[in-house]
Amino acid sequence: EIVLTQSPGTLSLSPGERATLFCRASQSLNIFYLAWYQQKPGQAPRLLIYGASSRATGIPDRFSGSGSVTDFTLTISRLEPEDFAVYYCQQYGNSPWTFGQGTKVEI
Amino acid sequence: QVQLQESGPGLVKPSQTLSLTCIVSGGSISSGGYYWSWIRQHPGKGLEFIGFIYNSGTTYYNPSLWSRVTISADTSKNQFSLKLRSVTVADAAVYYCARETLGSCSGGSCYRYFDLWGRGTLVTVSS
Repeated sequence: EIVLTQSPGTLSLSPGERATLFCRASQSLNIFYLAWYQQKPGQAPRLLIYGASSRATGIPDRFSGSGSVTDFTLTISRLEPEDFAVYYCQQYGNSPWTFGQGTKVEI
Repeated sequence: QVQLQESGPGLVKPSQTLSLTCIVSGGSISSGGYYWSWIRQHPGKGLEFIGFIYNSGTTYYNPSLWSRVTISADTSKNQFSLKLRSVTVADAAVYYCARETLGSCSGGSCYRYFDLWGRGTLVTVSS
């Protein structure tokens, strides 16, 4: 099973600032198989990024993903008030699919 | 527009079977290229993949749960279901149904992602 470790656990920032979230895989991953999700309280996760760097439909371009092999990054260029949430990375490279433990982006 | 909606009891007794259904509207679960999935989230915790069904009958289960899980589909009702046997308090969670999409492919690799989710249903395990 591939373990995904996200850091930091919590990111305290202000609107307008840049957020950088990290996801490290315990094994090498094909970039096709790394996704990022956003989850707000009481809501289901929402797909942001797939294939490590492709934005899902309707996702603003302030969200970007990068990385390869074992290290992946989600960047939010300028935080909007609605971006304060928990973010999860997820891998589809090896079954079972696994998620990181999440990074909370808070004000 | 495809939508997913979970339904089922919110309270299950220990040792009994948790049964949930995901009703799919706006699209057919028989359509190719989709894996109809269940994911759970323990209170205040992260996400755990349970398993999926595709081609209306082929299933995959997380090894951590495989001995207790069954996912099935009813194409006539356009829904798929989760059964988790012998539940304990550790199975209390919000259960989501989701659609995993097999996206475009290149060089033998294909994108995959959970692009649609139900709203989730909270299941409590208590006597």
